[in-house]
Amino acid sequence: QKEVEQDPGPLSVPEGAIVSLNCTYSNSAFQYFMWYRQYSRKGPELLMYTYSSGNKEDGRFTAQVDKSSKYISLFIRDSQPSDSATYLCAMSYNTDKLIFGTGTRLQVFP
Amino acid sequence: GAVVSQHPSRVICKSGTSVKIECRSLDFQATTMFWYRQFPKKSLMLMATSNEGSKATYEQGVEKDKFLINHASLTLSTLTVTSAHPEDSSFYICSASDTPGKLFFGSGTQLSVL
Repeated sequence: QKEVEQDPGPLSVPEGAIVSLNCTYSNSAFQYFMWYRQYSRKGPELLMYTYSSGNKEDGRFTAQVDKSSKYISLFIRDSQPSDSATYLCAMSYNTDKLIFGTGTRLQVFP
Repeated sequence: GAVVSQHPSRVICKSGTSVKIECRSLDFQATTMFWYRQFPKKSLMLMATSNEGSKATYEQGVEKDKFLINHASLTLSTLTVTSAHPEDSSFYICSASDTPGKLFFGSGTQLSVL
């Protein structure tokens, strides 16, 4: 079993839809949880960073962490074609060494 | 957020030559930087951890003599792919942290070895 599981997609939604991206993990020692967005042939861009259970909101993005279920989510409201990218979840213990999910490809069509 | 600069963004070289990739933290000091490799439509694979003033720590299966890492200052780490071959063609990305567990990535370097 992988430490971090993420559905690779692709996920295709119409513009304006609410997108839900998810990751599950097996190791309860993870303390930091992140979501990155990666456009083709570019480095990942940090979208959300959290270290506790609960919700964190930033503009159209909401990150949700449920440590009891070992489950994290990223919600994108009012999705735009510019949101089309690969979204990577990442987690770490009390270090900077990240464990990544495989990434979910999202396509938002006009 | 913190800015990590990586150069060059793209390099094409002949088989047998060496290629150097630079990674700089622009607005913070990084005692540790990380080098990743990514194949098309795949996730990031950690290659090595670069430590300022000491030897890099390589992940299992990564050839130390092939991928030379130097972290000479708190803002600069370099990855040199020595005697590059076509199978070394890949997307290489560096990263650094200004807060525990919070990594910022460079824009990546696409290496193509002919």
